[in-house]
Amino acid sequence: AQKITQTQPGMFVQEKEAVTLDCTYDTSDQSYGLFWYKQPSSGEMIFLIYQGSYDEQNATEGRYSLNFQKARKSANLVISASQLGDSAMYFCAMREDFGNEKLTFGTGTRLTIIP
Amino acid sequence: GAGVSQSPSNKVTEKGKDVELRCDPISGHTALYWYRQRLGQGLEFLIYFQGNSAPDKSGLPSDRFSAERTGESVSTLTIQRTQQEDSAVYLCASSLVGGVYEQYFGPGTRLTVT
Repeated sequence: AQKITQTQPGMFVQEKEAVTLDCTYDTSDQSYGLFWYKQPSSGEMIFLIYQGSYDEQNATEGRYSLNFQKARKSANLVISASQLGDSAMYFCAMREDFGNEKLTFGTGTRLTIIP
Repeated sequence: GAGVSQSPSNKVTEKGKDVELRCDPISGHTALYWYRQRLGQGLEFLIYFQGNSAPDKSGLPSDRFSAERTGESVSTLTIQRTQQEDSAVYLCASSLVGGVYEQYFGPGTRLTVT
């Protein structure tokens, strides 16, 4: 079974609109962390936001927020007021078992912002 | 400050040759990771180093792949007898250790096996 599932291979959004990128995860651990990374066409991986499994509040970082629904095992990324520079691949990732720091990534969503 | 650096940025090699990829982590980061990203796909974990502990090699796809790290410094990923399916971008990342710390990624090495 996939540990991280991103069901939207591609999305097109009008500039200045909000967009939600979906991510569901599968783990039996009680303690885990969820990350979102952005990968522009240049290829670098840029960290956006982190949510810990015990965090009661949804994480926010500027225009990024994470809609964390623990019972549904979903961790959707919300980008408000989208900009042309938001066009990129977006990857959801999970770290299980804090004795091992490796990340498991989803297959990504390609977001294109339309002017 | 300096980020994670990787060299070379691009490597073209013939099938059957060995290649070495290098990663310089951020100074002070005790954890170092190697990932592979095939074209159009997500990242696959390869190997993880943490301080002087034994590395987690559970993601290495075959015994042709190996990696070393000396202390908390440079790491090299070696692929022996390269195959065409090894063509990918190899990404290195480093981090502090602990639940909330994100991994900082290097620019990657694009490996093409002809």
